[in-house]
Amino acid sequence: KAGVTQTPRYLIKTRGQQVTLSCSPISGHRSVSWYQQTPGQGLQFLFEYFSETQRNKGNFPGRFSGRQFSNSRSEMNVSTLELGDSALYLCASSPGTGGIPETQYFGPGTRLLVL
Amino acid sequence: AQTVTQSQPEMSVQEAETVTLSCTYDTSENNYYLFWYKQPPSRQMILVIRQEAYKQQNATENRFSVNFQKAAKSFSLKISDSQLGDTAMYFCALIFGNEKLTFGTGTRLTIIP
Repeated sequence: KAGVTQTPRYLIKTRGQQVTLSCSPISGHRSVSWYQQTPGQGLQFLFEYFSETQRNKGNFPGRFSGRQFSNSRSEMNVSTLELGDSALYLCASSPGTGGIPETQYFGPGTRLLVL
Repeated sequence: AQTVTQSQPEMSVQEAETVTLSCTYDTSENNYYLFWYKQPPSRQMILVIRQEAYKQQNATENRFSVNFQKAAKSFSLKISDSQLGDTAMYFCALIFGNEKLTFGTGTRLTIIP
C-alpha cells in the first residue's frame, strides 16, 4: 500500500496570507490527524477528522481549520499567517475503527516558512 | 490528561553498541497504546515499535525492543547493534480511544562511527 502523502512539501508565504495543505491517507484509512511541530513547542495536535467530521480538536486559534472529503483526503487551512506559524505540519492516518487505540502512520510533512 | 516524559534530551553511542532510551508516562486510562517513533533528518516520522497496554509481553521488532513496566508507567526502548542509520530524534508517544497522540519532547540519538 502507498503511504500517507502530503502536498506541497515546502511552502514560503508572507504574513497575512493564507495557506492550504493537503493530505492523502493510506488507502482504506478513514481517520486523518494533523500535528504542528516547532522547535519551541514540540509536537502539538491540531485536529482529527473521521468520516468528513471533525472528531477531535487541539488548542489552536480559529485561524486553523480543516476538512475531510468523502475519499478521506484532508486539507488544513491557515488564514492570516503569522511568523509563529512557521513549522513542520504532519499528517497521520489510521484505520478509524471506533473507540479503540490505533496506530497512526505519518506522511513526510509540509514545511511552512512564514516571512 | 495524559503526559509523556523523556528525560534524556541527547544521547550518543558507538556503532554496534546497545543503547536504551527512557520514557515515563501518566494516564488514568486502561486501554492505551504506547509507541516509539523515529524522526531522521528527513523529518519523516517513522513508527519503530508499538506496545499494547493490555499485553504483558514486551514488543520486539528486529534490533528494537521495549521494556514495558505498566505499574511503574515506564516504557524504554532498547536498540541493539546500533547502526549509523539509527541516528535520529526518537519520540515516545501514547494514545487511547479515539484521542490524539501525546508525544514526549524527544531524545536526539547520535550513532558514532
